[in-house]
Formats: sequence, structure tokens, C-alpha cells
Amino acid sequence: DIQMTQSPSSLSASVGDRVTITCQASQDISNYLNWYQQKPGKAPKLLIYDASNLETGVPSRFSGSGSGTDFTFTISSLQPEDIATYYCQQFDNLPLTFGGGTKVEIK
Amino acid sequence: QITLKESGPTLVKPTQTLTLTCTFSGFSLSTSGVGVGWIRQPPGKALQWLALIYWDDDKRYSPSLKSRLTITKDTSKNQVVLTMTNMDPVDTATYYCAHYYYDSSGSNFDYWGQGTLVTVSS
Repeated sequence: DIQMTQSPSSLSASVGDRVTITCQASQDISNYLNWYQQKPGKAPKLLIYDASNLETGVPSRFSGSGSGTDFTFTISSLQPEDIATYYCQQFDNLPLTFGGGTKVEIK
Repeated sequence: QITLKESGPTLVKPTQTLTLTCTFSGFSLSTSGVGVGWIRQPPGKALQWLALIYWDDDKRYSPSLKSRLTITKDTSKNQVVLTMTNMDPVDTATYYCAHYYYDSSGSNFDYWGQGTLVTVSS
């Protein structure tokens, strides 16, 4: 199985801050990576697909980059409604695997 | 508009078999490039992929749970059913079904159901 390691596991930032989350794959997965947002008590929502493509309707303050084993997810200016847990997910190989999640809170 | 909704028991006893149904609308599971997956999330923990069924009835399972899982589809009813045998308290989780989109360049779960919490307890 491909292991996905996210860091940090949680972070606290102020409104307007730039927030960066990293995701490392245990082997080369090219750009076969998605990012999801999960708000408390809700289902996950696809934000970024294929490592860097913004899903339709998702605000442009969200972005993703990377390839191979190292990936980055960025919120350019944190908003109160961005409070959530964010997950990366690889689709290079089955079984599909998710990272452990990064909980984002407002300072 | 694509929607999915999970249904099934909220409480099962250890050793019992869990049967969950995903009822969807807005797409057909006979269309190329489409699938439905099941993902679960224990309370306070991360997401775990369980199974996938593709439009052509190809089925894939998480290796760690493969012996306990069966996924089937009823295209005429727009439903996908997941069964998990020999339930244990560690299987307590919210179970999600999701629309799976795939093509030559990528794949993702782009629409999710609301999830259903299943508790395993005697």
C-alpha cells in the first residue's frame, strides 16, 4: 500500500494568513493526488484533483502543487469558513489511500 | 445534479453482517468512466477506502478487508450495496458512499453522500 503522510496534523492561524499543508507519498505517484475538505459533521468535499486542478466552484484561494512524492496544499488567505480538516488521497495504485488529515483552526 | 444517500442499520451486534445501501440519482452506473465507492471514517479518525464498483461491474476491495466485503450494483434501481461480514466494535464508523469519476488522466470522489454512522455493540 502507498502510505500518505500529512503534516502538520493540526494548525492554528489567523484570518488572512497563508496556510500550507504538505503530503508525502511513500513512493512516486506522479500527480495522482487529490485534496478534500471536511467540515465538522459533514462529508468530505473535493477541492483539488490531479494535484493542482481546482474543482469547479472552489474559491481560488485554494491551490495545490507537487509531483512525485511531495505535494503542497495552500490556502492563500485563510477565511473563517475554511475551518475544517483537509485530506490528501492518492489514486496511483489500489488500494486508494488517504493521508491522516490536517485540522485547521482559527487563532 | 448528482446526489447519493446511504441507508442501513445504525446499530449492529458483533459477528453480525452489515448491509448498507447507497441510493443515487443524477448519473447512471452503466455509463463508462463512472463508479461508486465506499469509504469509512471511525470517530475522530481519518478516511479509509473500502471498495469500488465500476460501470462495467469490475469490483475492487481494500486488501485488509477483502475477505469480509462484497459490493454489488443494481443499475435499474440506481443502488449500490455493500455487505461487511463479522462486524466488530472497531468497525464502528461513519460509512460514506461516493460517486467515482475516472478517465485516462485521473480519478476522484467528486460527490459524496451524507454518511451513516454505524455502531457495533452488543
